[in-house]
Amino acid sequence: EVQLVESGGGLVQPGGSLRLSCAASGFTLSGYWMYWVRQAPRRGLVWVSRINSDGTIINYADSVKGRFTISRDNAKNTLYLQMNSLRDEDTAVYYCARDFSWAAFDICGQGTMVTVSS
Amino acid sequence: DIVLTQTPLSLSVTPGQPASISCKSSQSLLNSDGRTHLHWFLQRPGQPPQLLIYEVSNRFSGVPDRFSGSGSGTDFTLKISRVEAEDVGVYYCLQGIQLPLTFGGGAKVEIK
Repeated sequence: EVQLVESGGGLVQPGGSLRLSCAASGFTLSGYWMYWVRQAPRRGLVWVSRINSDGTIINYADSVKGRFTISRDNAKNTLYLQMNSLRDEDTAVYYCARDFSWAAFDICGQGTMVTVSS
Repeated sequence: DIVLTQTPLSLSVTPGQPASISCKSSQSLLNSDGRTHLHWFLQRPGQPPQLLIYEVSNRFSGVPDRFSGSGSGTDFTLKISRVEAEDVGVYYCLQGIQLPLTFGGGAKVEIK
């Protein structure tokens, strides 16, 4: 079965760090652009970051630039999101997603909850 | 940034009746390759978003044919020909032509 499974979320204090992982199964991660999208409680979807298939093209939303780092280990079939200097407004469910065509995500994980609070 | 404005914010539909959601973009989503990178997703309660329509009008694999997309340039529409109970959720449009990628605010569909 083709799927993505996120992990690594949790409760962290403002200014803290977390590393999210997204494990792919049923397909080879190296063939795809990958994305992180987040959704704050009772809010809409927001794009966070993207990375191309070999990790040479990376983009971020302005709200996370300089604080978050997307990366991938194609040998481990895993996508990552290192989140530093976390703020209250980073509280959200974080989804990883596989690109089908120009940001049309065809596979999305179930999400991992990140709560930033003192 | 490209702003996508969805209307209505919510709609309540009788099963078997049609529904329509609009997505208007602040800029043209037509790419130089002739393709228009506007996609539609459904997020059912408690679930991640799932792709319904890509590039304006292409139904994704497994999506029922009661869903259709249309439009061009800056104005787009998602139509459900006959709403069913499983169609409940929030519908989002997404533009993939320019960074930052942006979603519409969402349109919530409920069953009467």
